[in-house]
Amino acid sequence: DTEVTQTPKHLVMGMTNKKSLKCEQHMGHRAMYWYKQKAKKPPELMFVYSYEKLSINESVPSRFSPECPNSSLLNLHLHALQPEDSALYLCASSPDQIWDGHSGANVLTFGAGSRLTVL
Amino acid sequence: RKEVEQDPGPFNVPEGATVAFNCTYSNSASQSFFWYRQDCRKEPKLLMSVYSSGNEDGRFTAQLNRASQYISLLIRDSKLSDSATYLCVVNGGSQGNLIFGKGTKLSVKP
Repeated sequence: DTEVTQTPKHLVMGMTNKKSLKCEQHMGHRAMYWYKQKAKKPPELMFVYSYEKLSINESVPSRFSPECPNSSLLNLHLHALQPEDSALYLCASSPDQIWDGHSGANVLTFGAGSRLTVL
Repeated sequence: RKEVEQDPGPFNVPEGATVAFNCTYSNSASQSFFWYRQDCRKEPKLLMSVYSSGNEDGRFTAQLNRASQYISLLIRDSKLSDSATYLCVVNGGSQGNLIFGKGTKLSVKP
């Protein structure tokens, strides 16, 4: 199994709603990531979990709240979002969060994304 | 200087052409280099890791020049299915996280 699965594929929500995006991988990867991607832009890193602990938070507003219940699951809880938060949210995983050029430990596998529209 | 820079294109080439993309990076301590491919409205997918000695995978060749801090991707005998955005990815942010270039769009025409 070499997939990263994201649900839902599409989500439309109002600014007062609370919703969650879910991500699952069964490759035994120990690092998981949330990225945000706007149209015609590259993915922007939001959060990194390494061994189920939050290791990087790229100054993301608190209306986005990540959660890593176990090594296979990653959630992104959404509350009081703004229309400008509409984007493709990509989950990714890698074997580890080691930044060397040899082991391939930080090669990212992406899920298909959750396309979010905030009205 | 931006951390990872790419020519945004678009590169419009006929089938069978050879096309080359370059990418420059600013952090001399970077150690991991990749090319990802992203189709329209799809997720990025790893095309190739880039190694110091250069590496080839079929029609694709990647080169790394550490002295000049640039990475290249050469595509030979372009196919229609090669049409996509090619993202240069380098580690080296403040915490070593992967930094994406803005991508180079390739359109291969019949």
